[in-house]
Amino acid sequence: RKEVEQDPGPFNVPEGATVAFNCTYSNSASQSFFWYRQDCRKEPKLLMSVYSSGNEDGRFTAQLNRASQYISLLIRDSKLSDSATYLCVVIRSYNTDKLIFGTGTRLQVFP
Amino acid sequence: EAGVVQSPRYKIIEKKQPVAFWCNPISGHNTLYWYLQNLGQGPELLIRYENEEAVDDSQLPKDRFSAERLKGVDSTLKIQPAELGDSAVYLCASSFSGGGPYNEQFFGPGTRLTVL
Repeated sequence: RKEVEQDPGPFNVPEGATVAFNCTYSNSASQSFFWYRQDCRKEPKLLMSVYSSGNEDGRFTAQLNRASQYISLLIRDSKLSDSATYLCVVIRSYNTDKLIFGTGTRLQVFP
Repeated sequence: EAGVVQSPRYKIIEKKQPVAFWCNPISGHNTLYWYLQNLGQGPELLIRYENEEAVDDSQLPKDRFSAERLKGVDSTLKIQPAELGDSAVYLCASSFSGGGPYNEQFFGPGTRLTVL
């Protein structure tokens, strides 16, 4: 079992739709959580950090449930430019910057 | 500001040949990472440097892979000899680690290696 698991998708949604991705992690001691975005044949880029209280950045909302060990990303009013792979990322402890990536969930937004 | 620079962007070699990848991090970033990304997977850390010291190389297959960051700036990752299973994208990332909470890692465009 992978330490960070995601549904690989693809999720095919029309413009304007709301889409949600979930991710689970197995190490209960994990401390930091992120969503990265990776466009096709490009490098990963930090989309947002994820906090227990939940956080929002425009059309994007991230949530963390430590008790259930899952992380979510909600995208509202999807745009064509949102088409990408969304990677769930975990750091095990505060003493390390080692990123543990999920396999990614592919999103395709169509007109 | 220039981002992380990697070269070459693409490399095709025959198995058993050696290959080397080069990375120049963002200016001022003291921590450098090499990741391996297989198709349909997330990146996996191979090695992490703080300045010129390799502080985490537990995932580096040391029988055929080596890396160096001699002056604490740019870095080279080498594979010798390459195997078919080494075909992947090799990503370099850098960050400024000041001892606090997570410091964002910035990734380079990667080197796409194909071993025939």
